[in-house]
Amino acid sequence: QVQLQESGPGLVKPSQTLSLTCTVTGGSISSGTYYWNWIRQPAGKGLEWIGRFYTSGSINYNPSLKSRTIISLDSSKNQFSLKLSSVTAADTAVYFCARERQRHAILGVPSTPLLKFFDIWGQGTMVAVSS
Amino acid sequence: IQLTQSPSFLSASVGDRVTITCRASQGISRYLAWYQQTPGKAPKLLIYAASTLQSGVPSRFSGSGSGTEFTLTISSLQPEDFATYYCQQLNGDLYSFGQGTKLDIK
Repeated sequence: QVQLQESGPGLVKPSQTLSLTCTVTGGSISSGTYYWNWIRQPAGKGLEWIGRFYTSGSINYNPSLKSRTIISLDSSKNQFSLKLSSVTAADTAVYFCARERQRHAILGVPSTPLLKFFDIWGQGTMVAVSS
Repeated sequence: IQLTQSPSFLSASVGDRVTITCRASQGISRYLAWYQQTPGKAPKLLIYAASTLQSGVPSRFSGSGSGTEFTLTISSLQPEDFATYYCQQLNGDLYSFGQGTKLDIK
């Protein structure tokens, strides 16, 4: 079965770039109708969607983070990555990667409603921004 | 699109029926999902498309709504249900989550 695992430095200095990787195992990152997402959660707070990448090259970002965010995909390594630049203490959080699945209500019938959901999540990785 | 959950905190007992509401700042059709999160864990998908139960999720969980108002109902609380619940809208290409509802034991 497909599993996701985040990795990267647990500590980043202010003004530097946070870089994380999500490795996909048990399936190909390039197959199926999947989008690959990043989400974060500051300690004791709610979830914030950061952005997503589709294998066609389509990318979407949260407007509040767009100017500092780059999400990319390396299909040869079955990984996708997050880079967040000019970090501050406000970027301290647990970062999750997640697979978004899209399918029509009746498989193979595009005239039926499109269903979208995040069905598989990584365990999350804590990143602290501090000097 | 802003999502507002109510209540933010909820105390209940095992066996109770509870309902959590999620309101969207604009219409999102049925592009709404519900997740359950326990401390130190990733969120777990419960319901998508407003009312479709994810495979393996107990039938005591149900969802309803469309447009701007949605509900998650747990028909008879079990000890493992005490957690934080989030709604998520997936309308268009920009997504967002509600602020969460923490459900704890009375």
